[in-house]
Amino acid sequence: QVQLAESGGGVVQPGRSLRLSCAASGFTFSTYGIHWVRQAPGKGLEWVAVISYDGSDKYYADSVKGRFTISRDNSKNTLYLQMNSLRAEDTAVYYCAKDMSGVPSIDYWGQGTLVSVSS
Amino acid sequence: QSALTQPASVSGSPGQSIAISCTGTSSDIGGYNYVSWYQQHPGKAPKLMIYEVSNRPSGVPDRFSGSKSGNTASLTISGLQAEDEADYYCSSYTSSNTRVFGGGTKLTVL
Repeated sequence: QVQLAESGGGVVQPGRSLRLSCAASGFTFSTYGIHWVRQAPGKGLEWVAVISYDGSDKYYADSVKGRFTISRDNSKNTLYLQMNSLRAEDTAVYYCAKDMSGVPSIDYWGQGTLVSVSS
Repeated sequence: QSALTQPASVSGSPGQSIAISCTGTSSDIGGYNYVSWYQQHPGKAPKLMIYEVSNRPSGVPDRFSGSKSGNTASLTISGLQAEDEADYYCSSYTSSNTRVFGGGTKLTVL
């Protein structure tokens, strides 16, 4: 079955960096687009970024553009999110999520990892 | 990249039907048939309930249905059950190759 397992979250000071990872299994990772979606405490879902199956195309939300970088290593079935210049408003649970085959719709989600930006 | 607009809350009694609306623009909902709906219980990851406006993934009860008219999509839940109480989010593909979510709707089963 499809499994997505995020890691790398924690408490970080404003202005610092953090890298999240998402280990995938149960499907052919190298053939699917993968997203990062976040959810601030008590708030709704916010789309963050997506990367195409081969890493050639990447798109970002305006709120993270220029600060966050999405990448993937298909040989390791792993997705990454490099987060720089972190702000308090980046505090959230970060989910990785995969697209359906041939349809721009997310079908499976990981359980999320919490990032807390605080001094 | 403004969020799609959903009502903050809806409620209904067991057995009744409710509908949740989701309003966007011609650059997202109105421009594509790529609207999805997600159910999220407290402390859990979202679950896909509807994709491509009205398609149900395997395992989702047929009590859940979706539709779209212009820039507004809707999720209808018929025969409400206690376990349907959750937060519901709509999402759409956009003309910028990004995705956008609605602000979420809290469904209370009375």
